[in-house]
Amino acid sequence: AQKITQTQPGMFVQEKEAVTLDCTYDTSDQSYGLFWYKQPSSGEMIFLIYQGSYDEQNATEGRYSLNFQKARKSANLVISASQLGDSAMYFCAAGSLDSARQLTFGSGTQLTVLP
Amino acid sequence: NAGVTQTPKFRVLKTGQSMTLLCAQDMNHEYMYWYRQDPGMGLRLIHYSVGEGTTAKGEVPDGYNVSRLKKQNFLLGLESAAPSQTSVYFCASIKDGTDTEAFFGQGTRLTVV
Repeated sequence: AQKITQTQPGMFVQEKEAVTLDCTYDTSDQSYGLFWYKQPSSGEMIFLIYQGSYDEQNATEGRYSLNFQKARKSANLVISASQLGDSAMYFCAAGSLDSARQLTFGSGTQLTVLP
Repeated sequence: NAGVTQTPKFRVLKTGQSMTLLCAQDMNHEYMYWYRQDPGMGLRLIHYSVGEGTTAKGEVPDGYNVSRLKKQNFLLGLESAAPSQTSVYFCASIKDGTDTEAFFGQGTRLTVV
């Protein structure tokens, strides 16, 4: 089982600047994955980025990167060059890679990008 | 491709009524999931299935039943709806145990009055 903690209920960032969304996790699994999802006001869940527990390099997908610090059990999302369209709720999630891949989600961070 | 489709998108139920939410995926995925999302909280797992004919309980299964008679469909049933089941319900699917990316449906907003 996993537990995900997102301590920032809301964040503001100026357009074109970078922002880091925090995520810490607790798991007893040896093999697990960490995920970030974006949920805009329209409600759909959009997959952003994935990091496996055995991956040595931090994952990157375009403007998104995952700052994975295994010893500290953190998986922070970094968004570079923020855009107005990045305003949304962001969820961190974790799942065991040894079972049915079900995900445990954090409570989310509402990001607002200011013009 | 349609991906993951949930039916209906919105529904209002009276306390005690029953209903079934349908999740259909056209990607030939083995694993399917039902989550609920309440205000101020992340998604929580209700039930899941790792293949046709199999189901298992998640974190919050009480008051719900599921069936996976066909690989492409995963049904979530509420036998006697309660106001506490007012929520947004999401279905998701994953190709199989070797894959990582979950594809989500658009969500069903259910209100129980």
